[in-house]
Amino acid sequence: QVQLQESGPGLVKPSQTLSLTCNVSGGSVNSGYFYWTWIRQYPGKGLEWIGYMSDTGSLNYNPSLRSRLSIAVDTSTNQFSLRLTSVTAADAAVYYCAACGYSGGRYSIDYWGQGTVVTVST
Amino acid sequence: DIQLTQSPSSLSASVGDRVSITCRASESISKYLHWYLQQPGKAPALLIHSVSTLHRGVPSRFSGSGSGTDFTLTITSLRPEDVGTYFCQQSYSTVYTFGQGTKLEIK
Repeated sequence: QVQLQESGPGLVKPSQTLSLTCNVSGGSVNSGYFYWTWIRQYPGKGLEWIGYMSDTGSLNYNPSLRSRLSIAVDTSTNQFSLRLTSVTAADAAVYYCAACGYSGGRYSIDYWGQGTVVTVST
Repeated sequence: DIQLTQSPSSLSASVGDRVSITCRASESISKYLHWYLQQPGKAPALLIHSVSTLHRGVPSRFSGSGSGTDFTLTITSLRPEDVGTYFCQQSYSTVYTFGQGTKLEIK
């Protein structure tokens, strides 16, 4: 079974760029079974889908973040990454990397990382 | 964006009880509705995809039903490890959205 682990700084200053990496084990990012996904959860527990990318370059970003967001897949390291520019306090959340299963067109979040807390503060 | 509204927001039930949680979509989402359980201190985990298909390893006491805009997650015999927050999620539109969550506690 696919396992995912997020890494990256837990503290980012306002206006700076948030960069997170997700290490994938137990499967390959170019297996063709998943879209590689980022989701965040706010302190009040609400979940927000951020976006996904496939190993072949298929992209789907949340329009609310599209102008600041970049997701990339690195097949050489079996990792994928998130880059969010110009962060504000509203971007503070727990960030999850995840594997989105799309067989049959379902697009469910089959596997989740444990999550990493991101704080935005000076 | 498609809005998902779960009810109730919280509930308390006894071990062995039958529990149902509903998820209502702001427009028809066909069969593209999935359920997750977030146990305390953990990441969410997929229970059911496509309305009624159990994810691998999920116990058969969980089941899902519904179509269009109204969906239900049912636990036939509640166990202590079922406590946590349940979320529904739709993938009908290209902007995937989640319900606000239903917190389930044991009496």
